[in-house]
Amino acid sequence: GAVVSQHPSWVICKSGTSVKIECRSLDFQATTMFWYRQFPKQSLMLMATSNEGSKATYEQGVEKDKFLINHASLTLSTLTVTSAHPEDSSFYICSARTSGYEQYFGPGTRLTVT
Amino acid sequence: GNSVTQMEGPVTLSEEAFLTINCTYTATGYPSLFWYVQYPGEGLQLLLKATKADDKGSNKGFEATYRKETTSFHLEKGSVQVSDSAVYFCALSSQSGGSYIPTFGRGTSLIVHP
Repeated sequence: GAVVSQHPSWVICKSGTSVKIECRSLDFQATTMFWYRQFPKQSLMLMATSNEGSKATYEQGVEKDKFLINHASLTLSTLTVTSAHPEDSSFYICSARTSGYEQYFGPGTRLTVT
Repeated sequence: GNSVTQMEGPVTLSEEAFLTINCTYTATGYPSLFWYVQYPGEGLQLLLKATKADDKGSNKGFEATYRKETTSFHLEKGSVQVSDSAVYFCALSSQSGGSYIPTFGRGTSLIVHP
């Protein structure tokens, strides 16, 4: 099946700094990628839909200036958590959608803000 | 709007027991339905899918049938193994405003004892 990678798999940063997470579709082109946040023992919360070459569409309640999304190519989307705070600590998961509307998920990035 | 309801977990079973995880949905139009599995510390993996009424998705001994009349997509497996212990997410994808937006259930944790 299709493969989606995320980098880094885990990151620890200090409060006030910014962190960039990359999401790549390795063997297919994805015009649409999704970014999710998952709290412990909870479901995925869709943060935003990222479309190649255009601005991301953010879900209600997600601060677009805090969670910057860039979908620069058909195989790469990035999520930058700006001025991170401890409450931003979470598991961030991306997914990439194929032309057949199947979603393939990355392995996730564990962010810890100290 | 769209929604997915899954049975509360955790579901605890002995090895070789029969598994059912209930999933019902509310959606406009004709959604595609999915089951995803998440192993500890990992992202989500597509387990199976069905794209139209009466379709049966199956993979690794798991199966689910798209029942439009009852708006359900229950996951079943005849004989579970310890390695099946994971969190299972039911999801749908339907067209909204020209794009396909995914909706996930809360997830059901499955624990299989030897």
